[in-house]
Amino acid sequence: EAGVVQSPRYKIIEKKQPVAFWCNPISGHNTLYWYRQNLGQGPELLIRYENEEAVDDSQLPKDRFSAERLKGVDSTLKIQPAELGDSAVYLCASSLAGEDTGELFFGEGSRLTVL
Amino acid sequence: SQQGEEDPQALSIQEGENATMNCSYKTSINNLQWYRQNSGRGLVHLILIRSNEREKHSGRLRVTLDTSKKSSSLLITASRAADTASYFCATRMDSSYKLIFGSGTRLLVRP
Repeated sequence: EAGVVQSPRYKIIEKKQPVAFWCNPISGHNTLYWYRQNLGQGPELLIRYENEEAVDDSQLPKDRFSAERLKGVDSTLKIQPAELGDSAVYLCASSLAGEDTGELFFGEGSRLTVL
Repeated sequence: SQQGEEDPQALSIQEGENATMNCSYKTSINNLQWYRQNSGRGLVHLILIRSNEREKHSGRLRVTLDTSKKSSSLLITASRAADTASYFCATRMDSSYKLIFGSGTRLLVRP
């Protein structure tokens, strides 16, 4: 079974440029998460989807970040315009819904460097 | 904000020794999970312990949970060089699907 797939793995852009990250979750996982991980820190939640609905986007900086999950499968996270402080690893994760299954399955991440 | 805090931040041991990492959290939880992250990779789930459990084992891993002290520990026995990674605790609060990660312990196992 394929895991969570993310692309690109690495992206280097200049500040003020736009960037987008793509995530394909594990088949059948209706919950999808985007996390940001700064160097030496744990992941911090940006947004959580249940199917196509964003049920928790309270940590998403909405002035420059946007996300979508059309058809409740793939998801895209966009930053426009990027700032130097956005340099981080953007992790996508998916899980089965339900109280008893708390395990998240993570992709390899997309490492963003903003120059 | 991060709910869990791991201790120590970094740990260096010899292969074959045991490694113990601790996690403290602030609010009531539904469960606590431990994840491993190899350098440049995503996180991998290791073990989950529910709030009504006190100890759990999985292979060379042993996790304890003390809800009265709001703390957990992860013990890796007979460590191997391949155990070198960062280890994160993550807490799921009551009535919430949100999983909040700590800042991690970087473990180095010297061959």
